[in-house]
Amino acid sequence: QVTLKESGPGILQPSHTLSLTCSFSGFSLSTYGMGVSWIRQPSGKGLEWLASIWWNGNTYNNPSLKSRLTVSKDTSNNQAFLKVTSVDTADTATYYCAHTRPTGPHYWGQGVMVTVSS
Amino acid sequence: DIQMTQSPSVLSASVGDRVTLNCKASQNINKYLNWYQQKLGEAPKLLIYNTNNLQTGIPSRFSGSGSGTDYTLTISSLQPEDVATYFCFQHNSWPLTFGSGTKLEIK
Repeated sequence: QVTLKESGPGILQPSHTLSLTCSFSGFSLSTYGMGVSWIRQPSGKGLEWLASIWWNGNTYNNPSLKSRLTVSKDTSNNQAFLKVTSVDTADTATYYCAHTRPTGPHYWGQGVMVTVSS
Repeated sequence: DIQMTQSPSVLSASVGDRVTLNCKASQNINKYLNWYQQKLGEAPKLLIYNTNNLQTGIPSRFSGSGSGTDYTLTISSLQPEDVATYFCFQHNSWPLTFGSGTKLEIK
């Protein structure tokens, strides 16, 4: 059974760096074809794919966030991480991590709400 | 970037109706199209992957079809628990993109 859970600061100030952790079970990020994606959703709005990291270390970021995104993984501890630098109010959203295969995101975490406010 | 356009944005139908939701890509996505269901206050759930493959545990009343730029999600007999917003998603090319969603309501 695949499960994922996101954790993060809840609230942070503009210009700071957002750090999120995805802790998962039921699969390994060292297994061929496995990946983790990050997706966010502002309240009442649509979904935005942010980044994906794969079993082989390859990463893909959404260029709409320019170079603000960094995704990484700790295979031994079954965790993936997302950092977003220079946050502003537009980054306020629920952030999800999702177990990803070549067929796309399959299982999603419950999401973590992040508010950017001074 | 590939733009995904969903229609209608809101759909109201009766229990038992056959319902069709549409998704159009701005270019050919080679059937790399998924459908997700998001109920209020919950995370999205995968229904269909690669156009017409039913995810494990999803009821058979859900089905998908399409090719090229045009895709559909069909619910053969609408049930009250199907009230949700449905998103299409292309994973043919980076950056991956979602449609803006169709909100499905019961009349």
